[in-house]
Amino acid sequence: AQSVTQLGSHVSVSEGALVLLRCNYSSSVPPYLFWYVQYPNQGLQLLLKYTSAATLVKGINDFEAEFKKSETSFHLTKPSAHMSDAAEYFCAVSDRREYGNKLVFGAGTILRVKS
Amino acid sequence: EPEVTQTPSHQVTQMGQEVILRCVPISNHLYFYWYRQILGQKVEFLVSFYNNEISEKSEIFDDQFSVERPDGSNFTLKIRSTKLEDSAMYFCASSEGTGAYGYTFGSGTRLTVV
Repeated sequence: AQSVTQLGSHVSVSEGALVLLRCNYSSSVPPYLFWYVQYPNQGLQLLLKYTSAATLVKGINDFEAEFKKSETSFHLTKPSAHMSDAAEYFCAVSDRREYGNKLVFGAGTILRVKS
Repeated sequence: EPEVTQTPSHQVTQMGQEVILRCVPISNHLYFYWYRQILGQKVEFLVSFYNNEISEKSEIFDDQFSVERPDGSNFTLKIRSTKLEDSAMYFCASSEGTGAYGYTFGSGTRLTVV
């Protein structure tokens, strides 16, 4: 069965500092991988996704993530944190079945940005 | 940008009552999903729906739950007899195809069972 582990339920960074949110997955075959962001009282917004091709994936708001098969990781980074990045971030995985792929989510990481 | 719309945003119901949560997926999407997030816990898969039938369901999705696409645009989740532990945020999602297309989520319905 697939699973996702997000290391650190809370991460705090200063404004302008590097953001690094960690995600490791477990899957018998290379999966599809996603990062979602959830602002307070809002739904889940897709930040970026890895589906095959390039291992370095760029997303919205200058976020990017690198798929590392050898480490089974898909860590999310942003060079310079902004106050508006404060939110909860979820890593998720789905398998490569033909259709009806469900998402399996990690527990989430709450990002706090200090001024 | 196309959106997945969920109504209502909040619902309070008494234990034992039936509730129907409504979703309007993106019009050209073919796959529909319900997830839930109990306060403080991770987002959990409930059910996926394709071609007018359930394609997969989790162990959470027992006989108390049902889904329907009654009119080609709405996608509903019914809980027949609500329990206190059904209190959660329920998210609807849709996708155009396989996982490679990504999934678009609605803003959720917060269900409180009292």
